[in-house]
Amino acid sequence: QVQLVQSGAEVKEPGASVKVSCKASGYTFTGYYIHWVRQAPGQGLEWMGWINPNSGDTNYAQNFQGRVTMTGDASINTAYMELSRLLSDDTAVYYCAKELQLWSGMDAFNIWGQGTMVTVSS
Amino acid sequence: EIVLTQSPGTLSLSPGERATLSCRASQSVSSSYLAWYQQKPGQAPRLLIYGSSIRATGIPDRFSGSGSGTDFTLTISRLEPEDFAVYYCQQYGKTFGQGTKVEIK
Repeated sequence: QVQLVQSGAEVKEPGASVKVSCKASGYTFTGYYIHWVRQAPGQGLEWMGWINPNSGDTNYAQNFQGRVTMTGDASINTAYMELSRLLSDDTAVYYCAKELQLWSGMDAFNIWGQGTMVTVSS
Repeated sequence: EIVLTQSPGTLSLSPGERATLSCRASQSVSSSYLAWYQQKPGQAPRLLIYGSSIRATGIPDRFSGSGSGTDFTLTISRLEPEDFAVYYCQQYGKTFGQGTKVEIK
């Protein structure tokens, strides 16, 4: 079945970087944009940006520009999100999500990963 | 950037009652580009409605979406025990509303 499986929980110190992976299966990886969304403890959903796994094109939310890098490796059907210069406010669950329709870039998210908890603490 | 404001913040209802959730946009949103998600504690969000009114695969028909322009509504016709959760609206591929919690009264 169609699914996204993310890497495990991370604990990082302030100022460090974290890289979260999102492995896709059950569909054509290069056909659907992958988005990243985060959720701080007890808070709502915050969209971070997307990557087109076919072209490598990216679009980042303004709040994260300069700190986030989204990449993909089509040979292993995996997307990555790296966030640098971590602050305690970056403590959150990070989700990857697949778009509903082919080659869109502006669509609803019909499949979500299970989430990766990133804790930033000294 | 379009801001989505959901109301109320919390809705306290009993099973069997009707729930009406609002999502208001700061600028007009194409009705084709509005989605609703359900999230339960410890779980990833689940797509309920896309295109403002189209139920996603496997979503029961007690869930319905409507609206256009700047005002959108998610209606749950009769609440089942499994429907108590947090609901988010989203402009496609971008910002989310802050969420409405539907809790058991």
